[in-house]
Amino acid sequence: GQNIDQPTEMTATEGAIVQINCTYQTSGFNGLFWYQQHAGEAPTFLSYNVLDGLEEKGRFSSFLSRSKGYSYLLLKELQMKDSASYLCAVRSDSGAGSYQLTFGKGTKLSVIP
Amino acid sequence: NAGVTQTPKFRVLKTGQSMTLLCAQDMNHEYMYWYRQDPGMGLRLIHYSVGEGTTAKGEVPDGYNVSRLKKQNFLLGLESAAPSQTSVYFCASSYRDRAGGNPPSETQYFGPGTRLLVL
Repeated sequence: GQNIDQPTEMTATEGAIVQINCTYQTSGFNGLFWYQQHAGEAPTFLSYNVLDGLEEKGRFSSFLSRSKGYSYLLLKELQMKDSASYLCAVRSDSGAGSYQLTFGKGTKLSVIP
Repeated sequence: NAGVTQTPKFRVLKTGQSMTLLCAQDMNHEYMYWYRQDPGMGLRLIHYSVGEGTTAKGEVPDGYNVSRLKKQNFLLGLESAAPSQTSVYFCASSYRDRAGGNPPSETQYFGPGTRLLVL
């Protein structure tokens, strides 16, 4: 089975840095995605890690440690528009020539002035 | 390109009624997925398809059926709606697995969602 944990809510100040953690226990791990979801909207792809280390994309970075079953999403220079839910999703092979994503429950980030 | 579209956007049903949710994508993706999202539960996979004419069960398939008669469309059916099926339904699609790349080719792209209320 799959088990993914991330904090339910976080609050941070505009201009600051925030780190959203995700821990997972899974079989057949084959990559980890981060998605952003604004209230009432669809999830949109943010980042992907399959090897250990840091992936940087502008203000957003994502880190993975496969041995620890741990990832984090780092958001720098926070803006009000970054207020959203951030979903951690683990990719695992389904054994049928495809893969499946198992999502965490999401972390609701509120950015305050 | 419109990407992934879903119809309807919102629907109210009475218990026992049936309906079909339509998902369409114009990106020539091989894979398509149906999820439901409930407060405190996250996104959960209902059914998925790896190609035209093929479907498979996900984590929460009971009470739902699906069909993929055309590559670009993936239909989700509720034969007899129950209040427990009140949720937001998201469709997603992706290319099939191709080695390498970041983001990977099988990154899922989501439609805008359908809000379903069953009374």
